[in-house]
Amino acid sequence: KAGVTQTPRYLIKTRGQQVTLSCSPISGHRSVSWYQQTPGQGLQFLFEYFSETQRNKGNFPGRFSGRQFSNSRSEMNVSTLELGDSALYLCASSLEQTQETQYFGPGTRLLVL
Amino acid sequence: GNSVTQMEGPVTLSEEAFLTINCTYTATGYPSLFWYVQYPGEGLQLLLKATKADDKGSNKGFEATYRKETTSFHLEKGSVQVSDSAVYFCALSSRGSTLGRLYFGRGTQLTVWP
Repeated sequence: KAGVTQTPRYLIKTRGQQVTLSCSPISGHRSVSWYQQTPGQGLQFLFEYFSETQRNKGNFPGRFSGRQFSNSRSEMNVSTLELGDSALYLCASSLEQTQETQYFGPGTRLLVL
Repeated sequence: GNSVTQMEGPVTLSEEAFLTINCTYTATGYPSLFWYVQYPGEGLQLLLKATKADDKGSNKGFEATYRKETTSFHLEKGSVQVSDSAVYFCALSSRGSTLGRLYFGRGTQLTVWP
């Protein structure tokens, strides 16, 4: 099976712009989770989607949003970008059961100038 | 609440040395425990996991045992190689309101010299 894919892999934006990142889960996986990784804060949970519904959300401002489509693909959007949003954004997919293993994509590296 | 504490590096070893990276956790209920590895410029790869007390996860010579009495999941390898150089993350998942979320430690940078 193909792994989790994320596009784009690299992105440069300026402050105030918005950005949309895409994630395609492993075939058959219905849960998609998003994480932000920075040197200072480590890995932080953004949100999780299952069957097009957000089931869980981390402690991020409303500028961070996401959605999931009927084919389980997911997007996350960050509006009004700030310098501190520069990070590696990781997407992970898993089967529907709880405590199931999450498989990660290669990430999208976002640089905000 | 749920949290993971792991020894922060960096850890520097010579090839064929023994590796231990400590990981302890706090969790509500009975979590599943994971070790992930991240190579430079890449995402996280699952290294091993354990889903209940006394389970031992193993992969590529790495091992970790789920110890409920000490709330620990220490990672060990008997003989490290240069190719093991990476960042290692301990993580847990739990049921209930934290569905779909992994809790991660801060990561341990391992460098292995030839």
